[in-house]
Amino acid sequence: LAKTTQPISMDSYEGQEVNITCSHNNIATNDYITWYQQFPSQGPRFIIQGYKTKVTNEVASLFIPADRKSSTLSLPRVSLSDTAVYYCLVGDMISGGYNKLIFGAGTRLAVHP
Amino acid sequence: GAVVSQHPSRVICKSGTSVKIECRSLDFQATTMFWYRQFPKQSLMLMATSNEGSKATYEQGVEKDKFLINHASLTLSTLTVTSAHPEDSSFYICSARGRRGVTDTQYFGPGTRLTVL
Repeated sequence: LAKTTQPISMDSYEGQEVNITCSHNNIATNDYITWYQQFPSQGPRFIIQGYKTKVTNEVASLFIPADRKSSTLSLPRVSLSDTAVYYCLVGDMISGGYNKLIFGAGTRLAVHP
Repeated sequence: GAVVSQHPSRVICKSGTSVKIECRSLDFQATTMFWYRQFPKQSLMLMATSNEGSKATYEQGVEKDKFLINHASLTLSTLTVTSAHPEDSSFYICSARGRRGVTDTQYFGPGTRLTVL
């Protein structure tokens, strides 16, 4: 199972773009990168998932370099409501079966007025 | 995103009683369901993985006789905490994985706060 490393915490201000980088040096061929957001006392919310290059949805963008050993979640123009813990997870999302996602410590993002 | 529900959202029970938590995937068929536990200020810890109709696979250190998992259908999994004790008090979160296109995506329920007195 690929291990991930993220900064423990980050601070930003409203309206700024926030980039959170995750390292996953041992990523395997079938592994996808998935990011989740979690607020206190709530389950993680799916943000974005990708395999390589760039993925964009209405909430965020995910940048993955060619070697796939890292990825960057980009949140455009954050607001106070984006204050949360963000988790980067790496796992096999193709083979099915018992492939599981193991959580790391996550990044605690604080957005200030 | 897909919807995963949990019931109840909050439960308080006496020590020694058993508590059942339900997890449902509402708008997709989950090939696999997972149960996590989260203590305050900590990350999620995987407890077990289950496929419909199969026995659950438990992570190391998780007692299978204490945390009974039943995966009755492609949309329902239950976790029963048997003979609960105060140290079992935690936030329990289920997750359902389903195939969308060529890949799976995993969605999480809102969590169940268990307090054992």
